[in-house]
Amino acid sequence: GQNIDQPTEMTATEGAIVQINCTYQTSGFNGLFWYQQHAGEAPTFLSYNVLDGLEEKGRFSSFLSRSKGYSYLLLKELQMKDSASYLCAVRDSNYQLIWGAGTKLIIKP
Amino acid sequence: DVKVTQSSRYLVKRTGEKVFLECVQDMDHENMFWYRQDPGLGLRLIYFSYDVKMKEKGDIPEGYSVSREKKERFSLILESASTNQTSMYLCASSQGESSGANVLTFGAGSRLTVL
Repeated sequence: GQNIDQPTEMTATEGAIVQINCTYQTSGFNGLFWYQQHAGEAPTFLSYNVLDGLEEKGRFSSFLSRSKGYSYLLLKELQMKDSASYLCAVRDSNYQLIWGAGTKLIIKP
Repeated sequence: DVKVTQSSRYLVKRTGEKVFLECVQDMDHENMFWYRQDPGLGLRLIYFSYDVKMKEKGDIPEGYSVSREKKERFSLILESASTNQTSMYLCASSQGESSGANVLTFGAGSRLTVL
């Protein structure tokens, strides 16, 4: 079957750096997405990786290793507003998205 | 600046009632999707549509149907609501191409409780 694994919850301190991991086993691979979802709100797009390596976008970076079935989202200079759930999703060989359950990130002052 | 609008944020229905969840997007997107989101689970695709009057089953279509009579509107219908359909329902849309960073734009969600 297809599977996306990410930690259920993580806690970090304001101003620090946190890495949220995502491992996947899917039927084919056509890209990996990270979305952010604040409580009670719509998920919003953060990043897209289709080739191995690091994609940097301001305080957020996303890394992909296709051979290891692994990605991470790196958040730097954490702010209280970064408290949210972070959803990892992989597009499979049929171009359908397979979603992880999400990682709830709690930022403490 | 609202792009995907779901008509109801909160609904409470009784078992056996017919439920309509409406979704409208103003971005002229070809693709529209209905997901449900439950604690501890990833988003699960119920139905999707790549064109007007067209629909495709997702991973969990049982107990649901959809309607897309106009490009901007995609409705989810629960013919006879059951308690196991208590959930958060998310509508999303995207542009036509399936390759590349074809980003989903989500609505704020409709939280349905079936008693």
